[in-house]
Amino acid sequence: QKEVEQNSGPLSVPEGAIASLNCTYSDRGSQSFFWYRQYSGKSPELIMFIYSNGDKEDGRFTAQLNKASQYVSLLIRDSQPSDSATYLCAGNTPLVFGKGTRLSVIA
Amino acid sequence: DAGVIQSPRHEVTEMGQEVTLRCKPISGHDYLFWYRQTMMRGLELLIYFNNNVPIDDSGMPEDRFSAKMPNASFSTLKIQPSEPRDSAVYFCASSLVSAGGEGYTFGSGTRLTVV
Repeated sequence: QKEVEQNSGPLSVPEGAIASLNCTYSDRGSQSFFWYRQYSGKSPELIMFIYSNGDKEDGRFTAQLNKASQYVSLLIRDSQPSDSATYLCAGNTPLVFGKGTRLSVIA
Repeated sequence: DAGVIQSPRHEVTEMGQEVTLRCKPISGHDYLFWYRQTMMRGLELLIYFNNNVPIDDSGMPEDRFSAKMPNASFSTLKIQPSEPRDSAVYFCASSLVSAGGEGYTFGSGTRLTVV
């Protein structure tokens, strides 16, 4: 069974802080990983993808991948109230999604 | 591009009735996926197609569920007969590739309520 695990949260951070979202996966053959953001009542939208070990930065977002530990993370710097949403981690082929972590950024 | 288009946005039906959900993928995308989302189980893959051919339907919960893709621009997911436990949000997604690439693009979803 190929699984992607996430802490369901909620994760609460103050505005301007760094939010750290984590994900583990079971299939060592997984090559690519994706972070999606889902606002309440909306569909998932892609934020970032990462294939290689290490860090990948895009604006306020940094994705981190450690294939040896089967661990993926997403850092959101300078968190804003508009970042409040559920964040879904996905990997494998076809994509298997974690259940998501609910993030709340407090103004 | 208008993105992935799903209809209807909301569907309320009585137990035992047939329900048909529709999806138009992004033009040029070779893969189409049907997912179901519930609070308890999260996003679950039901079935996916490559070039209109079903590749893996192992996620379809039971024989009451069926999916078709008669052409590259249209797919349906049918539930017959529907049951209250089928209540969920059903998403269609499409992509250029099944692995890697830039991920999948999701439609707005159909919120199904079976009473």
